[in-house]
Amino acid sequence: AQSVAQPEDQVNVAEGNPLTVKCTYSVSGNPYLFWYVQYPNRGLQFLLKYITGDNLVKGSYGFEAEFNKSQTSFHLKKPSALVSDSALYFCAVRGANDYKLSFGAGTTVTVRA
Amino acid sequence: GAVVSQHPSRVICKSGTSVKIECRSLDFQATTMFWYRQFPKQSLMLMATSNEGSKATYEQGVEKDKFLINHASLTLSTLTVTSAHPEDSSFYICSAYDAGETQYFGPGTRLLVL
Repeated sequence: AQSVAQPEDQVNVAEGNPLTVKCTYSVSGNPYLFWYVQYPNRGLQFLLKYITGDNLVKGSYGFEAEFNKSQTSFHLKKPSALVSDSALYFCAVRGANDYKLSFGAGTTVTVRA
Repeated sequence: GAVVSQHPSRVICKSGTSVKIECRSLDFQATTMFWYRQFPKQSLMLMATSNEGSKATYEQGVEKDKFLINHASLTLSTLTVTSAHPEDSSFYICSAYDAGETQYFGPGTRLLVL
């Protein structure tokens, strides 16, 4: 079985400060890892993914994530947060041979001006 | 990235009526689409996998006779909530894979059953 843990329900940061949203996963075989962002009353927007290659993945809106196989983690980061980054963030994983995504519970990010 | 649309974005209906939600892949073909349900401030719950030209695969605990799924073409899947009741009120989101490994999501449909 595959699963995702997002240990923080909420992350609060000041604008301009670094932002980190944590994610750990469990899956059989090589993981396919994803980050999505959801604004109120909207669907999920794709931010970035790790399938293979460099452990540091760069995505949309200045976000990046680092795949750490030994720690089974895929933390999302942004060097300088914006107020507009305030949203609900989901980490997701699937196995290479599985088409179903498993989502974390989500982390609400609030960036204060 | 690939674009998935949903219609309607919001619907209010009376208890006992049926509601149809459409999910379209706008710039790619999708043999498989997914339907999720999301409660406020919670994660997504996969309801079913919609397969073009064949029956949908439902997750455990999801009533297939209540949530009818039809995937008649490579760009359209529909979810019909039959005999809707207030407990069916929720945010319904569809998704599909593009040619790569990424699942793209529609904007969601807010259903309110009175």
